[in-house]
Amino acid sequence: EPEVTQTPSHQVTQMGQEVILRCVPISNHLYFYWYRQILGQKVEFLVSFYNNEISEKSEIFDDQFSVERPDGSNFTLKIRSTKLEDSAMYFCASSVGRALQETQYFGPGTRLLVL
Amino acid sequence: KNQVEQSPQSLIILEGKNCTLQCNYTVSPFSNLRWYKQDTGRGPVSLTIMTFSENTKSNGRYTATLDADTKQSSLHITASQLSDSASYICVVSGYSGAGSYQLTFGKGTKLSVIP
Repeated sequence: EPEVTQTPSHQVTQMGQEVILRCVPISNHLYFYWYRQILGQKVEFLVSFYNNEISEKSEIFDDQFSVERPDGSNFTLKIRSTKLEDSAMYFCASSVGRALQETQYFGPGTRLLVL
Repeated sequence: KNQVEQSPQSLIILEGKNCTLQCNYTVSPFSNLRWYKQDTGRGPVSLTIMTFSENTKSNGRYTATLDADTKQSSLHITASQLSDSASYICVVSGYSGAGSYQLTFGKGTKLSVIP
């Protein structure tokens, strides 16, 4: 069964460094999403992406964040200058469409630790 | 502000027993309600999706109910198995304008099934 994959599974970085989290969505899906989950807290929406542009973003997704689909398969989340509070699990998700009953399929996540 | 509240926060049950998890939401305008299962360290996996007009939906031993009038949902797990041990997250989709939908996540109920 097709699945969303994410790399790396874990990333440790120093505060102020740039990180790029990578995702390969399911191949026939058109909508892509990033979420984050701070340890012990609920999952939070960051951004959705369609047709090579951001379709919507949350308040969390500030100028330090950017997303890109550099080729036909990868979908990346870049954090320009990491802060301690960026430490979280980051989930990528994808869906075929944006209809009412579309299921979003989540990847296994990347655990980011900022020191 | 859109909110999703879940109860109980955690639950321990014996293998083979049934249990019911609760979700209350204040997301408006409402689009649909989803229940996800999240194993520790993994991404959420969709169990059910219900729209406004649906009162109940089953997926194997999982049965979700929705009362759109009182803005409440429940997830009933029948004949629990050890593998049901996970966090169960209620997610409500709200229409955010211009054809866009945004997901609001609850904090989840952590279920532990013991032998």
